Amino acid sequence: RKEVEQDPGPFNVPEGATVAFNCTYSNSASQSFFWYRQDCRKEPKLLMSVYSSGNEDGRFTAQLNRASQYISLLIRDSKLSDSATYLCVVYNSASKIIFGSGTRLSIRP
Amino acid sequence: NAGVTQTPKFQVLKTGQSMTLQCAQDMNHEYMSWYRQDPGMGLRLIHYSVGAGITDQGEVPNGYNVSRSTTEDFPLRLLSAAPSQTSVYFCASSYSSRNYGYTFGSGTRLTVV
Repeated sequence: RKEVEQDPGPFNVPEGATVAFNCTYSNSASQSFFWYRQDCRKEPKLLMSVYSSGNEDGRFTAQLNRASQYISLLIRDSKLSDSATYLCVVYNSASKIIFGSGTRLSIRP
Repeated sequence: NAGVTQTPKFQVLKTGQSMTLQCAQDMNHEYMSWYRQDPGMGLRLIHYSVGAGITDQGEVPNGYNVSRSTTEDFPLRLLSAAPSQTSVYFCASSYSSRNYGYTFGSGTRLTVV
């Protein structure tokens, strides 16, 4: 089993739709969690950190479920510009920062 | 603000050649790291540094060396290039590896023939 698993997608949704991804992790002692977005042939960019209490940034909401060991990302009112690959990142230690393989999202007009 | 600057953007090497990928940041970040990204495998940590003079191995360190003589610079050396090292390499930096996100450079696309 991979330490961090994501559905590779692609998720193909219409503009304006709400879409959600999950990311599961295997190490119950994992300390920090992040969501990144990566555009094709570009570097990953931090989208948001994931806090225990959940957090929201505009149309984006991130949640952490420690009991079931997953994090989620919800995108409301999706825009064409949201088309990208979304990476979850789990921090276990300075030498053990695990990136998921990513979920591809495609928004259609 | 330049952020994290990586050079070169593209490189083709012959098997057995050596080279250095350069990484510099101007944000006074203590933590710097190198990743490689291969299709279907996500980013994998090669080496990291928590400050000048301190480096350590990540998940896939074999075939690579690093040094951190200054806070700003964190070069990655390929000792004897192999086709298995064909990949996209990203340098990243952060105030803290645990609590802050990482700022990535634009990447180096390396092909070893």
